[in-house]
Amino acid sequence: AQSVAQPEDQVNVAEGNPLTVKCTYSVSGNPYLFWYVQYPNRGLQFLLKYITGDNLVKGSYGFEAEFNKSQTSFHLKKPSALVSDSALYFCAVRPFSGTYKYIFGTGTRLKVLA
Amino acid sequence: EAQVTQNPRYLITVTGKKLTVTCSQNMNHEYMSWYRQDPGLGLRQIYYSMNVEVTDKGDVPEGYKVSRKEKRNFPLILESPSPNQTSLYFCASSSIGGDSYNEQFFGPGTRLTVL
Repeated sequence: AQSVAQPEDQVNVAEGNPLTVKCTYSVSGNPYLFWYVQYPNRGLQFLLKYITGDNLVKGSYGFEAEFNKSQTSFHLKKPSALVSDSALYFCAVRPFSGTYKYIFGTGTRLKVLA
Repeated sequence: EAQVTQNPRYLITVTGKKLTVTCSQNMNHEYMSWYRQDPGLGLRQIYYSMNVEVTDKGDVPEGYKVSRKEKRNFPLILESPSPNQTSLYFCASSSIGGDSYNEQFFGPGTRLTVL
């Protein structure tokens, strides 16, 4: 079965420190990969995507993600965390199978401490 | 302003009473989709639509119906709601071409409670 795993329910990091939010996937073929962020009482907002090409993808608000095909991972990173980055982060996959189904992870709550 | 709107934002209803949650986008997007968000389960796709009159099931379509008669609208219909459909629902849209394809824009959500 195709799936997306976000192994950490919550990640705590001090302001100014680098952050990583992990995502691994299990799909056949070459998937499209996404990160979304959800602030309290809001809908999700697109952060970045990997379709093809360079394994390091840069997105909004200083976030970046690294695609690792051998480890089937797409971890979200930021060199220096801000308190305002505190939110719920979702990894998503669209299997490249001709359909437009999306599979989301369960989400990781990021808490940046001042 | 580019946006996805959903109505109502909050709804409390009773088991078996048919309801419709509307979704509209003003970006001329071909693709529209419905998701439900539940604690510990993340987002799960209910239905999606590639264009007018083209719809397909997501991972959790049971108990839901959709229609796409106009490009901008994609209503979600619960013909006979049950308590296990209590959830937070999101509508999303995206283009399927150009630089921003696959980047979904999400509505603000509809919190549904079925008693």
